Amino acid sequence: DTGVSQDPRHKITKRGQNVTFRCDPISEHNRLYWYRQTLGQGPEFLTYFQNEAQLEKSRLLSDRFSAERPKGSFSTLEIQRTEQGDSAMYLCASSNAGAGDGGYTFGSGTRLTVV
Amino acid sequence: EDQVTQSPEALRLQEGESSSLNCSYTVSGLRGLFWYRQDPGKGPEFLFTLYSAGEEKEKERLKATLTKKESFLHITAPKPEDSATYLCAVQGATNKLIFGTGTLLAVQP
Repeated sequence: DTGVSQDPRHKITKRGQNVTFRCDPISEHNRLYWYRQTLGQGPEFLTYFQNEAQLEKSRLLSDRFSAERPKGSFSTLEIQRTEQGDSAMYLCASSNAGAGDGGYTFGSGTRLTVV
Repeated sequence: EDQVTQSPEALRLQEGESSSLNCSYTVSGLRGLFWYRQDPGKGPEFLFTLYSAGEEKEKERLKATLTKKESFLHITAPKPEDSATYLCAVQGATNKLIFGTGTLLAVQP
């Protein structure tokens, strides 16, 4: 297993368009997290799944954002009607319950630019 | 509300000049304090987890310590390849990590 994979690495979109990102976690990890990071800031929590169940969503996650993890494996994050304020790095991480000594393993992120 | 504050925001060191980064936190029911390293354009890379006051962990030139209110990341005789942003995060009663804004470390040869 090569770690957490995110696709695409970069996405440029016009304001008002919809975008979808994919995350493939480490296969034996049952928890998957989405974070957003803007320049000079630490990652901000968006949502997380345990297996296929979405257990928590941040207040930051407006109704334009939706995340799924249909079979408890990969996950998608969709942003509808993108706005310039959505420009950020979107990070995915995975862990086993409790994180433990391994912490969360992060992917390299998808950098979104809304023009 | 769980909160993490890191200082300084940026630190410039000469190669071999040891120093420490600070992470102050408030959290309900600390389940773990995490240190990550992040290189430009990449995701955070896990370094350490600390669970209770008095705990210490080391990895190469890095040593992390924990008290009831703060954590320190000590960097001994740093090299230019240690240049990165160092992020601190806490896990409280919920399963999410709450991150600080990070310390940008630059080590000059």
